[in-house]
Amino acid sequence: DVVMTQSPLSLPVTLGQPASISCRSSQSLVHSDGNTYLTWFQQRPGQSPRRLIYAVSNRDSGVPDRFSGSGSGTDFTLRISRVEAEDVGVYYCMQGTHWPPTFGQGTKVEIE
Amino acid sequence: EVQLVESGGGFVQPGGSLILSCVASGLIFKDSWMAWVRQAPGKGLEWVANINPDGSQIYYSDSVRGRFTMSRDNAKNSVYLQMNNLRVDDASVYYCARDPHYAALDYWGQGTLVTVSS
Repeated sequence: DVVMTQSPLSLPVTLGQPASISCRSSQSLVHSDGNTYLTWFQQRPGQSPRRLIYAVSNRDSGVPDRFSGSGSGTDFTLRISRVEAEDVGVYYCMQGTHWPPTFGQGTKVEIE
Repeated sequence: EVQLVESGGGFVQPGGSLILSCVASGLIFKDSWMAWVRQAPGKGLEWVANINPDGSQIYYSDSVRGRFTMSRDNAKNSVYLQMNNLRVDDASVYYCARDPHYAALDYWGQGTLVTVSS
């Protein structure tokens, strides 16, 4: 299985400051069709996961533009340009290129 | 508005069985791949299984293959997860989700809790 490694696992941030989460895969996530199936999810405390970003950098409808995704191959990043209180939660990357789909361990974002 | 509502969770002893259900609304269910994902208490997310629109293709993770069976009833806008021979490490919140393309799950239910304990 493809191993997804996130860092850091805990991310204390100051309100209004930027934050960045890294996600690395054990194999390239470029599919034979040329697409890269890397997705980011946010899970707020007590809630179900919510998709933020799909195919590396496509932001979902309703997701604030302070969230952005980038990367290629095996290295990917989720950035929050200015952290707000509602961004507290756990963020997961997930690959869908190779079967079975696999998730990163999660990065807990909290306000310091 | 898309809604996915899971039910059927509960307490079961090791070796027991449960059937989870998920009813969908607000989407074209008969055209949708669907998936089950689970999350053990305080842990991360784990893919369980997914099913294609007509139910002819079903894929399972190694950890549940041979014990769990996913199915669907398009007339009822529902997917199911039959879980047999449950183990303590199957205890999790089980989420139903739509899989629009290569596991980029775009809609999730609220989850249903399965507890496995003697």
